[in-house]
Amino acid sequence: AQTVTQSQPEMSVQEAETVTLSCTYDTSESDYYLFWYKQPPSRQMILVIRQEAYKQQNATENRFSVNFQKAAKSFSLKISDSQLGDAAMYFCAYRSPLYNQGGKLIFGQGTELSVKP
Amino acid sequence: EAGVAQSPRYKIIEKRQSVAFWCNPISGHATLYWYQQILGQGPKLLIQFQNNGVVDDSQLPKDRFSAERLKGVDSTLKIQPAKLEDSAVYLCASSFWGGVRNEQFFGPGTRLTVL
Repeated sequence: AQTVTQSQPEMSVQEAETVTLSCTYDTSESDYYLFWYKQPPSRQMILVIRQEAYKQQNATENRFSVNFQKAAKSFSLKISDSQLGDAAMYFCAYRSPLYNQGGKLIFGQGTELSVKP
Repeated sequence: EAGVAQSPRYKIIEKRQSVAFWCNPISGHATLYWYQQILGQGPKLLIQFQNNGVVDDSQLPKDRFSAERLKGVDSTLKIQPAKLEDSAVYLCASSFWGGVRNEQFFGPGTRLTVL
């Protein structure tokens, strides 16, 4: 079974600075997808960034980028130029291909990010 | 495009009572998921529907939880009878099966408190 681990329950960053959230996962599959979701106090889960395992190039979305290390099974999220609106709970998630386990997401425990003005 | 709708947003009940949650997915999305998110944890899949058929309900406590998706659109999740440990946020998500990335879109969730 696949597992996702986030070892940082809480992180803090100064506004405009850079912060990196860590995530490791365990799987025997070679084809899968990884995601970072943001969950603000409103509870709405918002997709931040995705990475396909077959792609070697790290995904980027504006101020958000990932460091995907497939051999190490590591998937960290870097937030540059942090803004007050980035404060939220961040979840790392793993998904198998649709033909295996139907595409359900397996989430880590989450990292609560606070941004100091 | 309207997002995933859920109701109610909050529910408080006493243990042994029953409760039901409703979810309306994004139009055209064939796949619907119910997740349970206990405070301080990541969401855990309870059940997944493909149209009105069940794909995965391996983590659904079937002695007290039930779910249905009539006509392959709206879905209801029921708990009967509720226990204290059922206190959690229940998230509904939907996706377009077979889409390039099969991205899941989440609703705002229902926060259940069992006293």
